[in-house]
Amino acid sequence: KAGVTQTPRYLIKTRGQQVTLSCSPISGHRSVSWYQQTPGQGLQFLFEYFSETQRNKGNFPGRFSGRQFSNSRSEMNVSTLELGDSALYLCASRDSAWTFFGQGTRLTVV
Amino acid sequence: AQSVTQPDIHITVSEGASLELRCNYSYGATPYLFWYVQSPGQGLQLLLKYFSGDTLVQGIKGFEAEFKRSQSSFNLRKPSVHWSDAAEYFCAVGASDDYKLSFGAGTTVTVRA
Repeated sequence: KAGVTQTPRYLIKTRGQQVTLSCSPISGHRSVSWYQQTPGQGLQFLFEYFSETQRNKGNFPGRFSGRQFSNSRSEMNVSTLELGDSALYLCASRDSAWTFFGQGTRLTVV
Repeated sequence: AQSVTQPDIHITVSEGASLELRCNYSYGATPYLFWYVQSPGQGLQLLLKYFSGDTLVQGIKGFEAEFKRSQSSFNLRKPSVHWSDAAEYFCAVGASDDYKLSFGAGTTVTVRA
């Protein structure tokens, strides 16, 4: 099976813009989670989707949102970008207890 | 609330020597425990996981981990380290009914020749 695919791998955006990141989970996995990784805060949970429904949400402002499609692919959106949103955004695909991560999208806000 | 502590921020080990990375967790019920490895600029690769059963679990790349409920620990070990094991290692805890993972701060492993 193909692994978790995240696109794009790298993004540079300007403060105030918005951005959409995409994640395709492993075939058959219905759960997709998103994490933000920064040097200062480490790995932090953003939200989790299962069968197109958000089941869990971390402690992030409303500028961070996501959705999941019927084919389990997921997108996350960040509006009104701030410099502090620069991070590696990781998507995780889960089946039962097996949780696998993608390569991440490196977002740089300038 | 679940949490993970990795006491060692950085470990340096000689190639061929053994390696042990510590992980302590806090969780009210029986946890799901994971170890991941991350190379610079890359995503997280799953090394091994513990859900139930045998407390000594074997993973990929020659790694193993032991779950000790009495000590709330899940330490990762490798008998003989290779230069390619230099990376950052993360311990994580989750639950069967909650797919959110809580991660430790990570331990960076440097391998010297």
